[in-house]
Amino acid sequence: AQTVTQSQPEMSVQEAETVTLSCTYDTSESDYYLFWYKQPPSRQMILVIRQEAYKQQNATENRFSVNFQKAAKSFSLKISDSQLGDAAMYFCAYRSALWGGTSYGKLTFGQGTILTVHP
Amino acid sequence: DVKVTQSSRYLVKRTGEKVFLECVQDMDHENMFWYRQDPGLGLRLIYFSYDVKMKEKGDIPEGYSVSREKKERFSLILESASTNQTSMYLCASSFGGTAYEQYFGPGTRLTVT
Repeated sequence: AQTVTQSQPEMSVQEAETVTLSCTYDTSESDYYLFWYKQPPSRQMILVIRQEAYKQQNATENRFSVNFQKAAKSFSLKISDSQLGDAAMYFCAYRSALWGGTSYGKLTFGQGTILTVHP
Repeated sequence: DVKVTQSSRYLVKRTGEKVFLECVQDMDHENMFWYRQDPGLGLRLIYFSYDVKMKEKGDIPEGYSVSREKKERFSLILESASTNQTSMYLCASSFGGTAYEQYFGPGTRLTVT
């Protein structure tokens, strides 16, 4: 079974600064997807960024980028130019690319990291 | 815009009651999921459905059942609510296959007293 670990329960950053959230995972599969989700106080889970394991290039979405190290099974999220609206719980998640068995596209989540942004 | 709605934002029930949590999606998604969110544990999958009337157990199905009679609606049932089922419940949906994004509802915070 796959596991996802976020070792930082809480992080804080000053507005306009850069912060990196860590995530490691364990899997025996070679083909999978990794995600970062954001959950603001409104509780609506929002997809921030996704990475396909077969792609060597790190995904980027505006101020959000990842550092995907497949051999090390590490998937960190970097937020540049942090804004007050970035304050939220961030979840790292894994999804197998296989269909069927115990998968069917389910997400396996880490424990979450609460990000505080100071003005 | 994809919309996933859940019947209640907050719910308070007594121990032993039968509880229904409803989820509706408007994007004709084949897959629907129920997750439970607890502090320090992240989200854990309870049940999922990949088609009408089809369901599979997730990682923590004990004490729960589900129903999917129509493609757009996926219900989570607590047959006899217990205090350890006090939690946040999140519904999600996606198109079939593993390449598609899951869209989440706003969550239901259930308290069992």
